[in-house]
Amino acid sequence: DGGITQSPKYLFRKEGQNVTLSCEQNLNHDAMYWYRQDPGQGLRLIYYSQIVNDFQKGDIAEGYSVSREKKESFPLTVTSAQKNPTAFYLCASSISLRGNEQFFGPGTRLTVL
Amino acid sequence: DAKTTQPPSMDCAEGRAANLPCNHSTISGNEYVYWYRQIHSQGPQYIIHGLKNNETNEMASLIITEDRKSSTLILPHATLRDTAVYYCIVRVASNAGNMLTFGGGTRLMVKP
Repeated sequence: DGGITQSPKYLFRKEGQNVTLSCEQNLNHDAMYWYRQDPGQGLRLIYYSQIVNDFQKGDIAEGYSVSREKKESFPLTVTSAQKNPTAFYLCASSISLRGNEQFFGPGTRLTVL
Repeated sequence: DAKTTQPPSMDCAEGRAANLPCNHSTISGNEYVYWYRQIHSQGPQYIIHGLKNNETNEMASLIITEDRKSSTLILPHATLRDTAVYYCIVRVASNAGNMLTFGGGTRLMVKP
C-alpha cells in the first residue's frame, strides 16, 4: 500500500533534548512538508521541500531543522531552541509543490516533560 | 494571501445533507478553494477543490458563488464517520508553489 508513515505515534522527551521525528513516503512524491498543530488550532507550516537536497522554511521554522537526503524521507528535528515543542506534528507529501492534493501521515504527538 | 472565515462548529443529523459555508472575500483570480477534513488525532484528508465552477466527487460537492467570495461544501448524506473538523483553504500562490494555510476550521458533529 502506498502512503506516508510517521513514527512513533507518541513521543516523550525531557526538556533540553533534541528529538527527531521520522517521515517516510512511498508515493514517489517530490514535495514533502512538516506542519505543527496545537490543541484546537489549525496547522502551521514548519518546513517544506520540493526536491532532494532542497528545503525551505515555512511560517514557524525557528527551533526546527530538517534534511532531505532521500526522496522518500524528510525527518524533522525539534531542537532545544524550540520554546514550546509539545504539539502534534504532521508530515505530508504531494506530487510536486504545485500538486493539487497533499497526503498526510498519521502524525506524531510530542510531549516534552 | 486570501483568508477564510468559517463557523467554529455545526451540527447535522445523520442521513441529512451537511452544508458547510466558507467566506473568502479577498480571494484573487488565480487562487483555488480547497477543502480538507481532519478526524480527531489523525492527519487531514483531502476532500475537493475548485476554481470557479462547481465540483463534485465521490465524497462531496463544492459550490462556489459567481463572485467567488464564498463557497459551500456539501456532504449529501452525512454519516457518523463524517464527524470531523473541516478546513476551507485558499491556495497561496507564490513562487514556491502550492502552500496550504490552515485556519481554525468548522467542527462538524453528525448526530444519530
